[in-house]
Amino acid sequence: KAGVTQTPRYLIKTRGQQVTLSCSPISGHRSVSWYQQTPGQGLQFLFEYFSETQRNKGNFPGRFSGRQFSNSRSEMNVSTLELGDSALYLCASSLQGGNYEQYFGPGTRLTVT
Amino acid sequence: DQQVKQNSPSLSVQEGRISILNCDYTNSMFDYFLWYKKYPAEGPTFLISISSIKDKNEDGRFTVFLNKSAKHLSLHIVPSQPGDSAVYFCAASANFGGFQKLVFGTGTRLLVSP
Repeated sequence: KAGVTQTPRYLIKTRGQQVTLSCSPISGHRSVSWYQQTPGQGLQFLFEYFSETQRNKGNFPGRFSGRQFSNSRSEMNVSTLELGDSALYLCASSLQGGNYEQYFGPGTRLTVT
Repeated sequence: DQQVKQNSPSLSVQEGRISILNCDYTNSMFDYFLWYKKYPAEGPTFLISISSIKDKNEDGRFTVFLNKSAKHLSLHIVPSQPGDSAVYFCAASANFGGFQKLVFGTGTRLLVSP
């Protein structure tokens, strides 16, 4: 069974631009969660989608948004990029979400200059 | 407010010895706890978990202990191997606003030297 895939793996953007990251979950998984990882902050939860609906949301500004398609693939969008948005963005899928075991993708390394 | 804390950013142990990674949490609503391991350039991978109704769970070289009264859990790796060198994240799950939510700690970098 194929794992979670994320594209692109690396991305360099400038301040003020917007970016869209993509995540394809494991086949059959309906929950997709997004996390931001920065040094010293661990994994900060962004949001979770389940069956095309946002089910949970972390404490991030409205510049961060996402969506999920009928095939469970998910996209995350960040508008008006700031230098502090530079981070590793991880996507995780699971059957039901929550405390079910989550399977992570390799992440997208975003650098904002 | 960091609800799940890993106060040791790094830990070094020798091969064959025990590695003990610690994690503290503040919210008594957490009822399920997990440990993930992360290698560079890879996403975290699930290692072991424990429900709040238990105080110990063992899987091969890995054992997780939960002390609910102290709101503390620990991961023991015995014996430690160089391949265990990675960043370890603890995570806690609870029902917030009707849905289970997973909160991660900041991670502990483990280095196991030969």
